[in-house]
Amino acid sequence: DAMVIQNPRYQVTQFGKPVTLSCSQTLNHNVMYWYQQKSSQAPKLLFHYYDKDFNNEADTPDNFQSRRPNTSFCFLDIRSPGLGDAAMYLCATSPPLGTPTYNEQFFGPGTRLTVL
Amino acid sequence: GQQVMQIPQYQHVQEGEDFTTYCNSSTTLSNIQWYKQRPGGHPVFLIQLVKSGEVKKQKRLTFQFGEAKKNSSLHITATQTTDVGTYFCAGPTGGSYIPTFGRGTSLIVHP
Repeated sequence: DAMVIQNPRYQVTQFGKPVTLSCSQTLNHNVMYWYQQKSSQAPKLLFHYYDKDFNNEADTPDNFQSRRPNTSFCFLDIRSPGLGDAAMYLCATSPPLGTPTYNEQFFGPGTRLTVL
Repeated sequence: GQQVMQIPQYQHVQEGEDFTTYCNSSTTLSNIQWYKQRPGGHPVFLIQLVKSGEVKKQKRLTFQFGEAKKNSSLHITATQTTDVGTYFCAGPTGGSYIPTFGRGTSLIVHP
């Protein structure tokens, strides 16, 4: 089945120790998103890619970086995690503009990040 | 900035009661999506509404898009314990094609 896969599902890191979260998709969608979700809150968009075009949200800290080496894979790098970065990180994909379902997002299961 | 407001934040119901969550935008939305997130899970797409005044049904769930395309609602008839979760609306605002999520309504169903 076509899907969005995130690894690892759980990640523990130490304060200030860089961490990389990965996302892959078999849907062949052009658009990929990274969200941060804290308890009882809505997903907060960090950035998204339209193909290789990177779009950063204005309030996304510089501590968060992303790479998309190809259509299928996308990475979230947190350069120096702080205690406030502990959250669920969700990857999502959607079809390209021009398709009727371009706003329908398919989410991965998420990576829960703990910062010690 | 552009926001999508959603109320209520929490709703407790007895199993069998109805439930409604409301979503409002200050600007016209080209479309709106609804998602369900079970506790400990990830958001799962439920439906998209595009047309003014559109009404769609999925079994006990009824989705409406307002005539002015600035508001939407999700109504669940005769809730069941399987309906527990947080329901989010999302719509593109401010000329962007990227949807903005509402804060969600958490539904708690008491057996």
